Parts: sequence; C-alpha cells; structure tokens
Amino acid sequence: DAGVIQSPRHEVTEMGQEVTLRCKPISGHDYLFWYRQTMMRGLELLIYFNNNVPIDDSGMPEDRFSAKMPNASFSTLKIQPSEPRDSAVYFCASSRVGRRSGANVLTFGAGSRLTVL
Amino acid sequence: GESVGLHLPTLSVQEGDNSIINCAYSNSASDYFIWYKQESGKGPQFIIDIRSNMDKRQGQRVTVLLNKTVKHLSLQIAATQPGDSAVYFCAESRTGNQFYFGTGTSLTVIP
Repeated sequence: DAGVIQSPRHEVTEMGQEVTLRCKPISGHDYLFWYRQTMMRGLELLIYFNNNVPIDDSGMPEDRFSAKMPNASFSTLKIQPSEPRDSAVYFCASSRVGRRSGANVLTFGAGSRLTVL
Repeated sequence: GESVGLHLPTLSVQEGDNSIINCAYSNSASDYFIWYKQESGKGPQFIIDIRSNMDKRQGQRVTVLLNKTVKHLSLQIAATQPGDSAVYFCAESRTGNQFYFGTGTSLTVIP
C-alpha cells in the first residue's frame, strides 16, 4: 500500500487566495482525520470523518475552513480566503478500528506545508 | 506582544545508551495511548500503544509505561541509535477515535 497520500507537499500562496489540500486515505480505512501542526499549538485535530461523514468539526478554526469527503478514497481541506496565520503543516491521517484494540491507530501522510504570504 | 512558540523539551543521549521520554496526559478518562515518532519533514509514525488496563507494554527496543495515578506515560528506547533522532509525541484518546497529542519531545542521538 502506498500509504496516505497528500498533495501538494508544499504550497506558497498570497493572502486572500483559496487553498485546497487533498488527501487519499489508505484503502479500506473508514476514518479520515485532518490535523494542523504549528510551532505555537503543536498538532491540532481539525475534523474527522467516518464512512465519509463528518463526525466532529469542532477543531475547525473558523468558517474560512471547510472539509469534504465525497467518497472513501478522497478528501479535501479548503481555506478561503487564506491568511498568513494559516501557515502550517496540514496532515491527513486515516485508520480503521483495530480488532484487537478496538481503537484507531492513525497512519499519517507526509503533510502539506502551507505558507501564506 | 511577541508570540512565543511551544517550548519543546529536548533530550540528548549517546548512541547505545537508553532513552526515556516522558509525557503527562490531561484527561483521566483517557483509556488508550499511543506513542508516535516524527522525523523531520515527515508525518508522525506509530511506535507502540497501550490500553489503560495495562501498565507496561514492550515492543522491539521500546517499552511504554503507564501510571494512571499520576497520569503519566513514558517511552523507553533501548540501545538508542542515530536513526532514533526525532520528535516523539504521546497521544491520548477516550473514545478510541479522537486522539489528542502532547507537545512532543525532541530526541537527539549523539554518535
């Protein structure tokens, strides 16, 4: 398996522009998570999906952020309009409930590093 | 005012020595814990997990200890190698679905 695939790996954009980050989870995983990592706040959970349905989006910073999962193999995180304080590394992770543990072990993608000028 | 980043604890060890990385978790209701390793430019990678009904679990060169009384988790790495240099995060979960990550500890292995 190729693992969780994120694109783009790096994006530099100007304030006010729309940013779309993409994620392809591991096949067979039914949970998908979006995290943001910054020096100020560390790793923050933004939103997660189960079977393509958003379950908890309480971590989404504000209305400028939106996430979709139109099918089991694709998700997007969109920021519109972007601001310099959105600069961070955005990680997508996927998982499925382990039979032994009954919990999810997240497999992370390599991340998308966003810089908003 | 001036913004301040997270103070990331750091640990430096000699190659071949054992490393102990500590983590204090916040929610006494958390019942599942995972240690992740994050190398520069990569996403966090699973190392080892432990449920709250256990106080110790061993893997290959790694051991996780859980003290629920003081809400403390530790990761022990035996015979630390240069490839172990990374930032290590503990993550806690109550539901088994949502994980909350600590601030991380930066481990540097000195050859």
